[in-house]
Amino acid sequence: KNQVEQSPQSLIILEGKNCTLQCNYTVSPFSNLRWYKQDTGRGPVSLTIMTFSENTKSNGRYTATLDADTKQSSLHITASQLSDSASYICVVSVGYKLSFGAGTTVTVRA
Amino acid sequence: EAGVTQFPSHSVIEKGQTVTLRCDPISGHDNLYWYRRVMGKEIKFLLHFVKESKQDESGMPNNRFLAERTGGTYSTLKVQPAELEDSGVYFCASSKTGETFYNEQFFGPGTRLTVL
Repeated sequence: KNQVEQSPQSLIILEGKNCTLQCNYTVSPFSNLRWYKQDTGRGPVSLTIMTFSENTKSNGRYTATLDADTKQSSLHITASQLSDSASYICVVSVGYKLSFGAGTTVTVRA
Repeated sequence: EAGVTQFPSHSVIEKGQTVTLRCDPISGHDNLYWYRRVMGKEIKFLLHFVKESKQDESGMPNNRFLAERTGGTYSTLKVQPAELEDSGVYFCASSKTGETFYNEQFFGPGTRLTVL
């Protein structure tokens, strides 16, 4: 069983709308939790990195939250744009070693 | 600054053949990592180099996989002989030395390997 579970597997939203992606993990203890964006045919690109003591971190229209007690994280996308269509991957790190979720595929439609 | 580059972008080979994937990390990054994503699964760690030394190769699936990093610069990952289950996307990433806490890893675009 994967130590990092993401939901939903995929979602479709209209341009301009908001959405929230979920991540549950069992990796413990961990160094930090990251959210990556992966465009089709590209490698993952870091959006946010949070340590276990941080509750929230923003990067433009992306806001990540972390609840270390319940071992849950979320990524909120505000005012979605067509360019937000991608796979979003939750990653938990212990030192240099990364444990990946399977990702949530987001499709933004005009 | 150039990012992590990987070559080739795609490779289609037959079962039993040999394939060599190449990764050029960001200049000055001593840490280099290989990852793999097989169809429908999450990305998984294969191994980690610090300069030319293998720091951790616990994720390598079997002895058909051989990774090298001559001179601590670019790295190659050879699969010999390739099997059907080796199909997937192979990612390379690199990070600076000393950033042990955040350890920001920068990923290449990946090599899509198809074994027929």
